Amino acid sequence: QVQLVQSGAEVKKPGASVKVSCKASGYSFTTYGISWVRQAPGQGLEWMGWISTDNGNTHYAQNLQGRVTLTTDTSTSTAYMELRSLRSDDTAIYYCVRDVLGVEYFDYWGQGTLVTVSS
Amino acid sequence: DIQMTQSPSSLSASVGDRVTITCRASQSISRYLNWYQQKPGKAPKLLIYAASSLQSGVSSRFSGSGSGTDFTLTISSLQAEDFATYFCQQSYSFPLTFGPGTKVDIK
Repeated sequence: QVQLVQSGAEVKKPGASVKVSCKASGYSFTTYGISWVRQAPGQGLEWMGWISTDNGNTHYAQNLQGRVTLTTDTSTSTAYMELRSLRSDDTAIYYCVRDVLGVEYFDYWGQGTLVTVSS
Repeated sequence: DIQMTQSPSSLSASVGDRVTITCRASQSISRYLNWYQQKPGKAPKLLIYAASSLQSGVSSRFSGSGSGTDFTLTISSLQAEDFATYFCQQSYSFPLTFGPGTKVDIK
């Protein structure tokens, strides 16, 4: 069965960086994209960016451009999201999602990783 | 960027009610519109993709319609397990964007 298993919760200080991993299993990793979506406490869903697992092409949300980097390791079917220069308003649950290429809807979600930014 | 709005932002309904949620895009997105359900403390779940296609394993009481800028999600007969927040998402172009959500709770 398809699974996306994310790394554990993180607590970071303002200005630090965080890197969240997402290990995929149960399907051919390079035939689907990966997007990252975050949700601040009590808030809605915010799309952060997308990566093609086939060629590494990326698209990022403009408000995160320059602070976020998405990468993949096809040898381990793992996707990574790194967010730098963390601020308190980056406190959120971060989800990796399987993205159906060409139509970009999210049919499988990771369990979420809580990132808390606090001094 | 394509902006997504939803109405209402919340609603109260009873088991057995027919519920309709509306999603509007700031420009035409053809049928590139998807719906998700999220329950407290859980990851969202895909219900409908491409405006009206039911995701595998999702109850047939959920249906979607629309094209262009106006879309609806309908729950034909609300069940206890349907009390949740519903989000629409456009997949017409990057950046992908979500609506703000509609919370459905018990009347």
